[in-house]
Amino acid sequence: AQSVTQLGSHVSVSEGALVLLRCNYSSSVPPYLFWYVQYPNQGLQLLLKYTTGATLVKGINGFEAEFKKSETSFHLTKPSAHMSDAAEYFCAVRASDRTALIFGKGTTLSVSS
Amino acid sequence: ETGVTQSPTHLIKTRGQQVTLRCSSQSGHNTVSWYQQALGQGPQFIFQYYREEENGRGNFPPRFSGLQFPNYSSELNVNALELDDSALYLCASSVQGNNEKLFFGSGTQLSVL
Repeated sequence: AQSVTQLGSHVSVSEGALVLLRCNYSSSVPPYLFWYVQYPNQGLQLLLKYTTGATLVKGINGFEAEFKKSETSFHLTKPSAHMSDAAEYFCAVRASDRTALIFGKGTTLSVSS
Repeated sequence: ETGVTQSPTHLIKTRGQQVTLRCSSQSGHNTVSWYQQALGQGPQFIFQYYREEENGRGNFPPRFSGLQFPNYSSELNVNALELDDSALYLCASSVQGNNEKLFFGSGTQLSVL
């Protein structure tokens, strides 16, 4: 069975500071991993995904994530936070039957000036 | 190219009633998935439709049912509404064989009183 744990329901950073959102997964098959962002009153938007190959994945808006199999982690980072990055972030793993994504509970990112 | 659209945006129902939510998929997408997002939680997979048939289902009771039409639009029906059904219902479209790239609508906020 697949599952995702996001450590920290709320992360606060200052504008220009490093953003680090943590995600650990459990998967019985080689994982496909994702980060989605949700702005208020909107649906989810794909930030980046890992399927196979290069373990450092770059996404939109300057975000990147590194797949670490030994640590079963897929943490999301951004070198310098922007006010516009304030949103809810969800880590997800694809289900083994390949029809669904299994999401974590999400991390709310707040950015202060 | 139109995105995923959902209607209505908000809905208030009474316990025991029935509700139908609608979704128009993104142009060129033949697969539709429905997710339930309770307050403070990540989205949970309800089911997926491809070629007008359900081809994957999450841990939801049979009173949650769906339809997909020849134009790939979809409906989610919920019978005998319960208070716990109050949530944001998200529709996502994709191309079969590429389920990892989901395009989400903005959702329907359902409140059950």
